[in-house]
Amino acid sequence: SQQGEEDPQALSIQEGENATMNCSYKTSINNLQWYRQNSGRGLVHLILIRSNEREKHSGRLRVTLDTSKKSSSLLITASRAADTASYFCATVTSGSRLTFGEGTQLTVNP
Amino acid sequence: GAVVSQHPSWVICKSGTSVKIECRSLDFQATTMFWYRQFPKQSLMLMATSNEGSKATYEQGVEKDKFLINHASLTLSTLTVTSAHPEDSSFYICSAKRQDSTEAFFGQGTRLTVV
Repeated sequence: SQQGEEDPQALSIQEGENATMNCSYKTSINNLQWYRQNSGRGLVHLILIRSNEREKHSGRLRVTLDTSKKSSSLLITASRAADTASYFCATVTSGSRLTFGEGTQLTVNP
Repeated sequence: GAVVSQHPSWVICKSGTSVKIECRSLDFQATTMFWYRQFPKQSLMLMATSNEGSKATYEQGVEKDKFLINHASLTLSTLTVTSAHPEDSSFYICSAKRQDSTEAFFGQGTRLTVV
């Protein structure tokens, strides 16, 4: 079963604006990962945040993790049209098994 | 980063036939490979986990006799959809993981259409 729930399901913004996507999960995790998927393609790993970390940055990406609320957020700053894609969070509870959220479809309008 | 190649990218087959999808790790040894299924505008559903040299572990509700998984080497896993039906039409994605890494690398996916 899918553990993660993401909101919003769809987000449409203008180029240059920031995009924030949220992910909630139900059980304790080892780490949480964010992935990007262009339409009809495979997934690209964006960033991993461990359960003992609260915030992580990578370029224009900022991920936060609140284990007390069992939630994470992905912020994309200064968005570009090329950022248009689906974004998924995935939790790892044991071993290397990934459980994916429902995803957020981001559209960045030029 | 590590490269995972999935083949074919798309396939159309007739009902009742079998289709084999390959997943290869090109520049690393994948001790574990995962197979996912994704319906349009939905998330990825894990179908099975395969470890090299052993039987795959299937998720609840996934028919092991219908979705045959073979992980015969450290660089290749195959998924065979047997006696395909139109409801098997979906996007199938594999991922591969090195033993010493927490990151899984994904193939580009295979679009299966059963007519």
